[in-house]
Amino acid sequence: EPEVTQTPSHQVTQMGQEVILRCVPISNHLYFYWYRQILGQKVEFLVSFYNNEISEKSEIFDDQFSVERPDGSNFTLKIRSTKLEDSAMYFCASSKGETQYFGPGTRLLVL
Amino acid sequence: GEDVEQSLFLSVREGDSSVINCTYTDSSSTYLYWYKQEPGAGLQLLTYIFSNMDMKQDQRLTVLLNKKDKHLSLRIADTQTGDSAIYFCAENMGRNSGGGADGLTFGKGTHLIIQP
Repeated sequence: EPEVTQTPSHQVTQMGQEVILRCVPISNHLYFYWYRQILGQKVEFLVSFYNNEISEKSEIFDDQFSVERPDGSNFTLKIRSTKLEDSAMYFCASSKGETQYFGPGTRLLVL
Repeated sequence: GEDVEQSLFLSVREGDSSVINCTYTDSSSTYLYWYKQEPGAGLQLLTYIFSNMDMKQDQRLTVLLNKKDKHLSLRIADTQTGDSAIYFCAENMGRNSGGGADGLTFGKGTHLIIQP
């Protein structure tokens, strides 16, 4: 069964550094999403992406964040200058419509 | 704004039924979901229900929706040790008329603990 994949599984970075989290959505899906889960807290929506542009974003998704679909298979989340509070599990998801399928996540630790 | 509430823990005996409850605030939600998260793993979609339905059954899983009270429940029949996980209730935010562009609002998750 096709599934969403994410790389890397873990990333450690220094505060102020840029990180790029990568996702390969399910191949015939049209909508792509990023969520994050800070340890012990809720899963929070960051952004949705459709037809090569952002459809919706939350207030968390500020100017430090950007998303891109650089080719036909990858979907990336870039954090330009990481802060300590960006430490979280980041989940990518994709869908054809009403049901979103999640990847295994990238655990980001900012030191 | 949207909010989804769940109790944090539920403990049941193996073989019994588990009922996990959730309340939500956004009446414009078009779909409601249950996801399962095992330790160290991602979110696995278990089932979902369209907001104009009252009930949906899928093998051992039964979802009940009371739209008037904004209450959603997930019943797992004959609970097994493999059901031990965190169960998240989520609603579609409905800002894009329930279309694919909508983000989901999640509850904090209910830890289901199975006693032998």
